Amino acid sequence: NAGVTQTPKFRILKIGQSMTLQCAQDMNHNYMYWYRQDPGMGLKLIYYSVGAGITDKGEVPNGYNVSRSTTEYFPLRLELAAPSQTSVYFCASTPGQGALYSNQPQHFGDGTRLSIL
Amino acid sequence: ELKVEQNPLFLSMQEGKNYTIYCNYSTTSDRLYWYRQDPGKSLESLFVLLSNGAVKQEGRLMASLDTKARLSTLHITAAVHDLSATYFCAVLTGTASKLTFGTGTRLQVTL
Repeated sequence: NAGVTQTPKFRILKIGQSMTLQCAQDMNHNYMYWYRQDPGMGLKLIYYSVGAGITDKGEVPNGYNVSRSTTEYFPLRLELAAPSQTSVYFCASTPGQGALYSNQPQHFGDGTRLSIL
Repeated sequence: ELKVEQNPLFLSMQEGKNYTIYCNYSTTSDRLYWYRQDPGKSLESLFVLLSNGAVKQEGRLMASLDTKARLSTLHITAAVHDLSATYFCAVLTGTASKLTFGTGTRLQVTL
C-alpha cells in the first residue's frame, strides 16, 4: 500500500519558470490537500479538494493552481516561480468528513523540496 | 481566523525526565491532531482527539484535549532519545476536514 506519493522529491527552478508537483493516493480518499512548510514553521494550506472536479483555495493560494480530474491525482501547478515559493510542499489525503471518518487523520506524502533561484 | 499556538517552541530535556507541550487555539473546535516530524521527513500521525476530555496514550506519550479551555497537551514521560523530533498540533477548521497547524515544538532529548 503506497499511500500518498509525491514526485519529484527535489527540484531547483529558476525565477519565472513553471512546474507541476505531482500527488497521487491509492486509498480512494475523497479529500486531498496541498500544504507548504517554510523552514522552522508549521504547515499552511494552499489548496484543497473534496472530490474529483471540486477544488478550493486555502490560506495561501496566490501563485498556485490545482486541478482534480480523478480521485487519485491532485497536481499542484506553479506558474512564474518566485523566490518566495522556495519551500517544502506536502500533499495529504483523508477519506472524508462525518462520523464515519472522524477517527481518520490526514495522511501525508514525503514532500517535495523546491528551491527557486 | 483560527490561531494555533504551541509552547514551548524548543525544548531540550534530559533522558528520563517528564515534560508537557501545550497547544492553545483561538476558536471553537472539537477535534485536534498531534503529528510528529523527523528532520527532512514527512508528518506521522500520533493522536486524533475527538471530544472534550479525550485522553490517548501511546508508549511514553499521552495527549489530552480540553475544548472548553481550547487547550491540548502532549505529555512526555521518561523521555528517551528516540523521541527527539518536532511535534505539531493541528486543529480541525471549518468544513472539508481542513487543519490549521501550530508552529511546532522541536524536542531534543539529550543523554
